[in-house]
Parts: sequence; C-alpha cells; structure tokens
Amino acid sequence: NAGVMQNPRHLVRRRGQEARLRCSPMKGHSHVYWYRQLPEEGLKFMVYLQKENIIDESGMPKERFSAEFPKEGPSILRIQQVVRGDSAAYFCASSQTGQETQYFGPGTRLLVL
Amino acid sequence: AQSVTQPDIHITVSEGASLELRCNYSYGATPYLFWYVQSPGQGLQLLLKYFSGDTLVQGIKGFEAEFKRSQSSFNLRKPSVHWSDAAEYFCAVRASRSYKLIFGSGTRLLVRP
Repeated sequence: NAGVMQNPRHLVRRRGQEARLRCSPMKGHSHVYWYRQLPEEGLKFMVYLQKENIIDESGMPKERFSAEFPKEGPSILRIQQVVRGDSAAYFCASSQTGQETQYFGPGTRLLVL
Repeated sequence: AQSVTQPDIHITVSEGASLELRCNYSYGATPYLFWYVQSPGQGLQLLLKYFSGDTLVQGIKGFEAEFKRSQSSFNLRKPSVHWSDAAEYFCAVRASRSYKLIFGSGTRLLVRP
C-alpha cells in the first residue's frame, strides 16, 4: 500500500515566484492536513481539508497562501509571490476520518532564493 | 491552549544504552498523545500513540511510552539504543475531539558507537 505521497520533494524558487506543492493521501483517506516546519522547530498546523472543502485554515497565513483538495486529484498547497521566510519543509498528512491517526508524507522542502 | 514541551533539544547516548526522551503537555482533559520520529530529510513516522486504557504503550522499533496524568508527561523509552535510532523525535498532542496536532520542538538523538 502506498503511503502519503508528496511532490516535488525539493523545490527552489526565487522571490516573487509561485510555489505549488502536491499531496496524494493514502488510499481510502479523504482527510488531508498541511503542516509547516521551520528550521529547528516542530511542525505547525496550517490547514485541514476534506474533498472539495476547507474545514479549518486557521494556521495558514491570510495572504499569499491557499489550499485545495479537489474531487479528483491531489491536494495542492499554493504559495504566491514567495519570500525568503517561506523557506521551510511542508508536510502533508492524511487520515480516514477527522479523528483518526494522521500519517505523514515525506515532505516538500522549499527553498526561496 | 494546548502546548507540548520537549525540554531536551539534544541527547547523546552510547549504542546499547537505555534512552528516555521527555515530553510534557498542557491540556485540561486527557489528550491523545503521539510520538513521531523523523530521520534526516525524511517525513514523520508514527512510533506509538495513546488514546486511553493501559498507560504503558508499546510501539514499533522497540519503543515504549508511559502516560502519567499526575505529571502531565508522556516520556518515550527504549532499553537498548541502536545506531539506526539516531533521528529527531517529536511528541504531539491532540484534543480528543479535535484533529489538530500540536507538536513539541523536537529532541535530536545522537548515538555514539
């Protein structure tokens, strides 16, 4: 069984460009979570989505960041006009329901030059 | 508000020695508790979890953790450390009716040959 898949694993962007991070949940999982890990810190919750719905985006910056989980295809975390402070590892997790154990993907490491 | 404290940023042990990683949480009721391990450049792997019942929880790779309500602690232990255990360890808490994981800042384990 495939686990949570994320791509790309590494992404380099220049300031002002857009970053798109993709997450495919485990088979049978319809709940997706995005977390951000800044250097030398733990993970911080960003957003929780179910298919076609954003349930909680309280941890996501109000500007430049957006997330979606369409009916078909992976979940996408989009960062517009990236700045150096966006450099971090972005992890996606999935679960069967909203209160089950979350399983994490390998992460996307974003570097903004 | 919920919070998790991992007081040790780094711990170094000799291979074959015992290990205990500390985790203290702040939460009004009994939370759901987790330990995850992150190898360099990798995602997070679930080691074990506590929801209710027996306060001594067994996990993968020979790890165990004990929930102590009186001390608000959920310390991770292993009787004999292997060189492959070198990694970063994260304790996380979640309210029983929530989905949001709150992570500690992590403890980096180094293993001496």
